[in-house]
Amino acid sequence: NAGVTQTPKFRILKIGQSMTLQCTQDMNHNYMYWYRQDPGMGLKLIYYSVGAGITDKGEVPNGYNVSRSTTEDFPLRLELAAPSQTSVYFCASSPRPYGYTFGSGTRLTVV
Amino acid sequence: GQQLNQSPQSMFIQEGEDVSMNCTSSSIFNTWLWYKQDPGEGPVLLIALYKAGELTSNGRLTAQFGITRKDSFLNISASIPSDVGIYFCAGRGNRDDKIIFGKGTRLHILP
Repeated sequence: NAGVTQTPKFRILKIGQSMTLQCTQDMNHNYMYWYRQDPGMGLKLIYYSVGAGITDKGEVPNGYNVSRSTTEDFPLRLELAAPSQTSVYFCASSPRPYGYTFGSGTRLTVV
Repeated sequence: GQQLNQSPQSMFIQEGEDVSMNCTSSSIFNTWLWYKQDPGEGPVLLIALYKAGELTSNGRLTAQFGITRKDSFLNISASIPSDVGIYFCAGRGNRDDKIIFGKGTRLHILP
């Protein structure tokens, strides 16, 4: 099994550009999550989903959007990139609301 | 909101030493989790704890769910070079569909 796959692994964006971070899992997990990790700050929850068609805000949702049209996919959208969104983004999935499996991350730099 | 305080922020130890780190919360949790993150990778689940007072081992790692349900600790015995990384605690409340993370403990092993 591939587990949780994130693409791209690295990206540089200019201020004001938009992009979508892709996340796919092949474990048929209902729960999916997006976190951002800043140095020394741990993991902050951006958005999460408890099943297809259901999404909810986490701690730091401003500047981001998500959708969950299928069980497998949970893309994260940045509409107007800002330097404050420079971070490492992790997607995770789980069959229950704990015990996550994480992807390997997307390192995003906004310049 | 719920917060997790994880300490220490970083540790420098000699190979072979034992390690102890802990996590405290401002509110009661029903699940405590410990993750390890290697450089360039997503966090990986080490130990999950589901009951107050529970003590669980995974090889050289031992973790306990505090009886107050507001704290947990992780011990690593006889550290080896591959133990280097960032260790995160995480917790989930009773009705939550998500977990929150501590800021991590960065473990360094001196040659």
